[in-house]
Amino acid sequence: QSALTQPPSASGSPGQSVTISCTGTSSDVGGYDFVSWYQQHPGKAPKLMIYEVSKRPSGVSDRFSGSKSGNTASLTVSGLQAEDEADYYCSSYAGSNSLTFGGGTKLTVL
Amino acid sequence: QVHLVQSGSELKKPGASVKVSCKASGYTFTNYAMNWVRQAPGQGLEWMGWINTNTRNPTYAQGFTGRLVFSLDTSVSTAYLQISSLKAEDTAVYYCVRGMLGYYYKGLEVWGQGTTVTVSS
Repeated sequence: QSALTQPPSASGSPGQSVTISCTGTSSDVGGYDFVSWYQQHPGKAPKLMIYEVSKRPSGVSDRFSGSKSGNTASLTVSGLQAEDEADYYCSSYAGSNSLTFGGGTKLTVL
Repeated sequence: QVHLVQSGSELKKPGASVKVSCKASGYTFTNYAMNWVRQAPGQGLEWMGWINTNTRNPTYAQGFTGRLVFSLDTSVSTAYLQISSLKAEDTAVYYCVRGMLGYYYKGLEVWGQGTTVTVSS
C-alpha cells in the first residue's frame, strides 16, 4: 500500500485542463515542500516533471504546474495533448531520511 | 550529456543473488546522490533507498534492510545494487536515479533505462 494516495485514473479532452491530486499526511506532503511529480510512458523510465512542489526542470513544458495545500499536492496539466497520456506519480520526502511515492494515476486523453 | 546506463536483464532462481550496475557519465559522479527505485510488473514506483556518493553512506528504505547492498566504484563512476536471497516478489524493473544538486529528495532528476530482474524457478 502506497503512503501517498492518488486517484487511479483521470481524463480530459485535448485542450482541456486536468488536475491530479496526491494526498498524504502532515508527516510527508504537509510537512515538507519536497513534493515531486513524474511522468511515465509505457515501457519507459519515469521523467521528472515538477520538483519542490511547483518548480519545473529545464525542458519541461509550462503546461505542467504543481501546487500544494495542506496535506494534498496537485499536478495540473493544461492544454491537454495526446502525448500527455501517461502514468503520473507523486513523491514526497517523508522525514527520517526517506522518500515515498503515490500509487500512480493513469491519465487518458479522450 | 548526462546519462545513466544500467546492466542488462537478469534471470535468477529463488534464493540467489543479483548485482545491477549503473554507469554514470556527463557529470561529476560524487557531486550527486544516487537513488534506487523499483517497479514490479503492472505496479507503481517504490523507493528502495539512496547512497551518498561522497561518503559512501547508504540508506535503505524500511522493508528492504538486510537484503540490499548499495555500493560504488567512483573510479569508474558506477553504482551497484546487490540483492540477496531473491524471492519471486523481487521480480521487477530496477532503476538507478540521480538526485538533484543538493538534497537527494529535491527530485529524482536523471533515470537509468532500468534493469529487469526476473526471479523464477
